[in-house]
Amino acid sequence: SQTIHQWPATLVQPVGSPLSLECTVEGTSNPNLYWYRQAAGRGLQLLFYSVGIGQISSEVPQNLSASRPQDRQFILSSKKLLLSDSGFYLCAWSDNGGADEKLFFGSGTQLSVL
Amino acid sequence: AQSVTQLGSHVSVSEGALVLLRCNYSSSVPPYLFWYVQYPNQGLQLLLKYTSAATLVKGINGFEAEFKKSETSFHLTKPSAHMSDAAEYFCAVSDGGSNYKLTFGKGTLLTVNP
Repeated sequence: SQTIHQWPATLVQPVGSPLSLECTVEGTSNPNLYWYRQAAGRGLQLLFYSVGIGQISSEVPQNLSASRPQDRQFILSSKKLLLSDSGFYLCAWSDNGGADEKLFFGSGTQLSVL
Repeated sequence: AQSVTQLGSHVSVSEGALVLLRCNYSSSVPPYLFWYVQYPNQGLQLLLKYTSAATLVKGINGFEAEFKKSETSFHLTKPSAHMSDAAEYFCAVSDGGSNYKLTFGKGTLLTVNP
């Protein structure tokens, strides 16, 4: 069966520090991978998605970047965190198929930038 | 472009009462529609999805939703609320593309009172 791992679960970082959140998927190959951010009262915002190794699409301009060094690994990074980067970050995957495919979410990372 | 509007950021019901969570969508193509549930400090889980088959969709935990094209709505219902239903619920619409990007509503927090 497929599983998705996301870590760390919580993270407290000072403003200006770097960030690296990692997500891995097991039990499937060539998945679509996604990073979402959930800010209080604002729902989920798609940050990045990837349809293959090294292929990253950014949905909104921001202080963050994403990379996919391996088929089932998706990394969210920042060189210098801002206060506005605080939020709940969710990694997700779907089969590389049609638009009716469902998303499978990780358990999330609560990031607090102080 | 597509969008989702969830009416009511917070809904409170008594245990055993009807649950009704409202969702209206906007899409330039025939939509795929989804309801996800998020329990505290967890990722999202799929409750149900509409993919142009039957307009009344049954999901897990006794939830169902009806697609009404004329009203551009996809409201979520459950005849009798249980304490374990307390969570945040998100409606989402797919863009219909092969990369499968979801647009989420801002969410509705459901509280169930004893």
